[in-house]
Amino acid sequence: DADVTQTPRNRITKTGKRIMLECSQTKGHDRMYWYRQDPGLGLRLIYYSFDVKDINKGEISDGYSVSRQAQAKFSLSLESAIPNQTALYFCATSGSSGGASDTQYFGPGTRLTVL
Amino acid sequence: GDSVTQMEGPVTLSEEAFLTINCTYTATGYPSLFWYVQYPGEGLQLLLKATKADDKGSNKGFEATYRKETTSFHLEKGSVQVSDSAVYFCALRGGATNKLIFGTGTLLAVQP
Repeated sequence: DADVTQTPRNRITKTGKRIMLECSQTKGHDRMYWYRQDPGLGLRLIYYSFDVKDINKGEISDGYSVSRQAQAKFSLSLESAIPNQTALYFCATSGSSGGASDTQYFGPGTRLTVL
Repeated sequence: GDSVTQMEGPVTLSEEAFLTINCTYTATGYPSLFWYVQYPGEGLQLLLKATKADDKGSNKGFEATYRKETTSFHLEKGSVQVSDSAVYFCALRGGATNKLIFGTGTLLAVQP
């Protein structure tokens, strides 16, 4: 079974709709991240969380919100989706900073299309 | 701020050719450097990493050496295979936040 899972894998929605993307991990990691991938731009960090009570904005957090429901679950919400949020979204996890545990492990991605 | 620049693709090679994908970085302090690979339809996987100057990361025949003097971390492989076709991302992690900063990715296409 995959260590980092994302649901849904694909989603098509309309402008103005609320969308939630979910991420679960079985690696026992404290740290979780949400990225979006756009052609020619690489991956950009949306939000990250170091533990259940710690949520931080990344470089492109506008229009997004997150919820860390448990150590293993980190959800990303688009309150009112717009077409330029069409992208591939990745969740990632890592242990605490330092040594081998700082490697980030990625989920398979969610392809979101906003019409 | 910190940034990563990698060569644009696509890079198209024949099987068994030598591969180099250039990556340079700008960062304060001493970042850790990474290469991630994304196979078609999949998420990113760590390919190799180096945490200090002159370290060489290696995995699956790929190598990259952390060159502080040239702020580079070029990815190399002596003989590529069709199965190496993927998008390769160079990334750095600096400071205590463990945030990764990615380059834009380089698509590698290996033809039989």
